[in-house]
This record gives sequence, C-alpha cells and structure tokens, in this order.
Amino acid sequence: GQQVMQIPQYQHVQEGEDFTTYCNSSTTLSNIQWYKQRPGGHPVFLIQLVKSGEVKKQKRLTFQFGEAKKNSSLHITATQTTDVGTYFCAGSYNDYKLSFGAGTTVTVRA
Amino acid sequence: GAVVSQHPSWVICKSGTSVKIECRSLDFQATTMFWYRQFPKQSLMLMATSNEGSKATYEQGVEKDKFLINHASLTLSTLTVTSAHPEDSSFYICSASGHVGGATYNEQFFGPGTRLTVL
Repeated sequence: GQQVMQIPQYQHVQEGEDFTTYCNSSTTLSNIQWYKQRPGGHPVFLIQLVKSGEVKKQKRLTFQFGEAKKNSSLHITATQTTDVGTYFCAGSYNDYKLSFGAGTTVTVRA
Repeated sequence: GAVVSQHPSWVICKSGTSVKIECRSLDFQATTMFWYRQFPKQSLMLMATSNEGSKATYEQGVEKDKFLINHASLTLSTLTVTSAHPEDSSFYICSASGHVGGATYNEQFFGPGTRLTVL
C-alpha cells in the first residue's frame, strides 16, 4: 500500500542547534501535513503543504514540499527545550485519509 | 475552537469483555471521524474512517466485527472493542475533521486518546 517513510526515528539535539526530519513517499502526494505529539499527549496539527515546491515557515520551523510532491522536510533552527516531542508527517493520496510517517522523536540536551 | 474529547481516557478490563470508547467534537460538526491505534513509541495506524450516518470504512487487516464503529451524529463516534484480548491493549486515538472556521482543509483534530489495557 501507499506509505510515507520518515527519518530519522530519533534525534538528540544540543539546545541551540538545528535539525531536520525528512519524509518520503514512493507515489505522488496530494498534500502533506505535519503534526507534533508531546510526550503523553496527542498529535497537534502544525501545517499543511499542498503546492509543489511549497515552503512555509512558522517562527523557527521551516516546512518544505518537494517539487515532485513525493517528499517533505521539517527544519527547526535554534532548538529549544519546548521543541521536545515527536514530529509526524502525514501524507494524503487524493482522499481525506492520512498515512502517517513513523515519526521523529526529538530530545534536547540543555 | 475545534476541540475533540475522548472518554474514557484509560480503561482496564478483563479478557473477553467489550469496551466502548466515545469520541466527541465539542464545538464543531465533524463530517468525518477517524480511529487510530498507536503502540508505544510507534506511529499512528489508521483503523477506520467513519462518516455520519453511514457505515465505517475499515483499513486492510482491521476486523470490522472486532472493532465496531458507530457514527450516530455529527458530534459523536464510538469505537467498541468486542471480546477484548491482551493483544488489543493499545492507545486508541480518534480524530475529526469538518467545517471549522480558520482551519486548514483536511486538517484533523485529535482527541486526547484512550489507553486500553486488557488483562
């Protein structure tokens, strides 16, 4: 079936450093969404990308959607302790269902 | 706005019993509700999609007679785990999408989840 692959699974970051998590699909996505799940919590919507090559920013977070609409990335600059959690990408293939990536769990060293 | 509640937040039951989990959209009408299952430190696996007043659509490998879904109104969906066994122990999360002012099209709003433990 259609799957969204996400790497890395874990990211240990020094506070103040940058990191990136990547998502890839073997088939073209209609759109991709990103969610954040804090430890013990539930996923919270961050953003949706729809257009080929789209780039969106939310403060220190930069989201990109590839030209072929098969990959996406989330880049966080100057990581803070509040960034701790698991970041999921979730792709949609011409319907309203989401296929979630495995998630990148981020821990921050102060 | 766009709050989704789930009840109960956790439940412990004996093997063989049935457990019902409720998912409610509190301040919007949810045209579609989704049920996910999440194992520890793993991703969310979509179990089924339900639209108000119609039968749920189950993902491949999910037993519809085992996981009964009812979407009786635009604000309520229920998941019943029938004859639960220890392997059904998991974190069950619902989400809802609908006409929410200011929301992105297709955005899903997640409930807080229900942790089911079957002894």
